[in-house]
Amino acid sequence: LAKTTQPISMDSYEGQEVNITCSHNNIATNDYITWYQQFPSQGPRFIIQGYKTKVTNEVASLFIPADRKSSTLSLPRVSLSDTAVYYCLVGDPWSSASKIIFGSGTRLSIRP
Amino acid sequence: DTAVSQTPKYLVTQMGNDKSIKCEQNLGHDTMYWYKQDSKKFLKIMFSYNNKELIINETVPNRFSPKSPDKAHLNLHINSLELGDSAVYFCASSQQHTGPYEQYFGPGTRLTVT
Repeated sequence: LAKTTQPISMDSYEGQEVNITCSHNNIATNDYITWYQQFPSQGPRFIIQGYKTKVTNEVASLFIPADRKSSTLSLPRVSLSDTAVYYCLVGDPWSSASKIIFGSGTRLSIRP
Repeated sequence: DTAVSQTPKYLVTQMGNDKSIKCEQNLGHDTMYWYKQDSKKFLKIMFSYNNKELIINETVPNRFSPKSPDKAHLNLHINSLELGDSAVYFCASSQQHTGPYEQYFGPGTRLTVT
C-alpha cells in the first residue's frame, strides 16, 4: 500500500503559482496519483489524476517524474478562493484490493 | 442540478437514538460510498457499494448499517448513537470505468450527538 506524505500547510499570495508536492516512495506499477481539493464545510472535489509525466486540465497541472516516487500539483495564479485542503491519493483504480486513503492533506492558505 | 445530494444537512440528536442519513446521486454512477470526517478532519471510508452490493466494509461498528435500495441511493442507518459518532458524514459516487479514485462527493451531513 503506497503511503503518501504531504506538507501539513502552505501559504502563498494571490496571483502566485503554487506547487504542492506529495511523496509516495513505494508506489506500485499500476498505481495512479489523484488529487482532491476540499473547501471548508464541503465534500472533497476531484481535481486531477495522472500516471506519469504531465497532465493538465482547466484547474491544475500534475507533474510526475520518471521514477514516480513523488508528484507535484501545480495551481497557476492562485486566488483567495483556492484556500482549501489538498489531498494526494495513490492507488490502482482497477484493483478491488485498492484502499482509498485520504491522508491529512495540505492546508493551503492564500493571502491577498 | 445537484449531482450527489444528502439529507439532512445537519442532524442533532441524543445518545442512544437511531438515525438515518440519505444519499442520492443522479450521475448514473454504479458505485457509492460513505465516509466519516472527524473533528481532526481525517476522512475515512466506511462503506462502498457497487450496483447495490457491498464491496468495502471498513472497520466500522455494526451499529452502522448501509442500505442501497437501488443504484442511485445509499442510505446510512446508525443505531444507538454515541458521542463519538459526532462527525461529518459524506456520501460519494464513482463510475466503474473511471475507477474509485475519481469520486464525486455530496455536501456532507454534520451529525452532532449530545
